[in-house]
Amino acid sequence: EAQVTQNPRYLITVTGKKLTVTCSQNMNHEYMSWYRQDPGLGLRQIYYSMNVEVTDKGDVPEGYKVSRKEKRNFPLILESPSPNQTSLYFCASASLPLSSQAFFGQGTRLTVV
Amino acid sequence: AQSVTQLGSHVSVSEGALVLLRCNYSSSVPPYLFWYVQYPNQGLQLLLKYTTGATLVKGINGFEAEFKKSETSFHLTKPSAHMSDAAEYFCAVDIIQGAQKLVFGQGTRLTINP
Repeated sequence: EAQVTQNPRYLITVTGKKLTVTCSQNMNHEYMSWYRQDPGLGLRQIYYSMNVEVTDKGDVPEGYKVSRKEKRNFPLILESPSPNQTSLYFCASASLPLSSQAFFGQGTRLTVV
Repeated sequence: AQSVTQLGSHVSVSEGALVLLRCNYSSSVPPYLFWYVQYPNQGLQLLLKYTTGATLVKGINGFEAEFKKSETSFHLTKPSAHMSDAAEYFCAVDIIQGAQKLVFGQGTRLTINP
C-alpha cells in the first residue's frame, strides 16, 4: 500500500529539548515536503526536497532543519523547540513531474510547553 | 507573488443542497490548481486538479471544479451534499508552474445539516 508514514503522531515536549519527527514514504518519490497547519492559516510550507541531498526553504523555515540522506526519508528536526512551534505537522511526497498529486502523512500534533 | 484566497472559513449547507466552495488565486502565469480534502484526524487527500486542457475538472465523490482564467477562480461544487462530505477543504496552487511548492488557502470547513 502506498503511504507516507510520520512518527510520532502526538508529542508533548518542553521548550529547548531537541526533537525529530520522522517521515518515510514507500513510493520512490523524488519530492518531499513538510508543512505546518495552524487555525485560520491553512498549510504553510516549512522545507522541501527535490531529491537526495537537495533541500530548500519554504515559507516558514525558521527554527527547523531537515535532511535528505535517503530517498525514502525526510526527517524534520527542531533543535530548540519553542511554544510558537506548537502546531499540526504534515509530511508530503510526490513524484516528478510535479503536476502530479502529493500524498500526505497522517500528521503529527506537537505541543511545546 | 502567489496567493490563494478561500472565501468563507466555514460553510454550512443542508443535506441534498448544492455545495459551493470558492477559491481565487493570484498568479502572473497559468497555474496548476488543486483541491484537497481533510477528514477529521487525517491527512490531506487529493480531490481533483487542473493542469491543462478542459477547464471543467471532475474529481472523486461527485465534486467538480471549473478553472476560469478571466476570473482567476477555481471554485469547487457538488450538486447534492451528503453527510459524508463534512470535512475541511483546501485549495492549492503551484507557486511556479511545474514547481510544486503548493501554496494553500486558509481552508473552508464544510458542515452538512441533516
